[in-house]
Amino acid sequence: DGGITQSPKYLFRKEGQNVTLSCEQNLNHDAMYWYRQDPGQGLRLIYYSQIVNDFQKGDIAEGYSVSREKKESFPLTVTSAQKNPTAFYLCASSQGERLYYEQYFGPGTRLTVT
Amino acid sequence: AQKITQTQPGMFVQEKEAVTLDCTYDTSDPSYGLFWYKQPSSGEMIFLIYQGSYDQQNATEGRYSLNFQKARKSANLVISASQLGDSAMYFCAMRAVGGATNKLIFGTGTLLAVQP
Repeated sequence: DGGITQSPKYLFRKEGQNVTLSCEQNLNHDAMYWYRQDPGQGLRLIYYSQIVNDFQKGDIAEGYSVSREKKESFPLTVTSAQKNPTAFYLCASSQGERLYYEQYFGPGTRLTVT
Repeated sequence: AQKITQTQPGMFVQEKEAVTLDCTYDTSDPSYGLFWYKQPSSGEMIFLIYQGSYDQQNATEGRYSLNFQKARKSANLVISASQLGDSAMYFCAMRAVGGATNKLIFGTGTLLAVQP
């Protein structure tokens, strides 16, 4: 079955540590996205990539970094510079840039930093 | 600025009844798309329905329909014959051409509880 996998589902880290969240898709989609969701809020865009080896900052990129070395993979690193990293992180992909292309989402990773 | 507003933090509906979830949007772009997603307690976002700004007819997908009123800038989701499995968060989102990216902008969501 085609889809997006994110691992792990739950992640716990100590403050000051960097942590990398995995996102893999086998949908052959060009575009991939990372969102953050806080309780009672909608999704906010962290980073997005429209093509391999290229990515752009979203609305809340500070304290995060990404790479896109392969079409299938778009890992997100939450660095120690992110002041409030505890959140639910969702990865998504879409076929491309057309308006009507919906985004397909992974199951999410819930990160807790103490 | 582009914005999505969902004014209903929570809604109750009896099983088998219809329910309308409100969504208003703001954009100056003439070309845009509106999406509704469902988020169960497990967390994944499930795409439900899409409406393009130039579509003449309201979108429908099974029990879901989108009441698109362009002049009012509203895109309400109608769920007919509610089922217990419809209990979830529902998010309205918009994608518009013209910005630096055609990213999705989400509202804050509506929590729907279907009662037996």
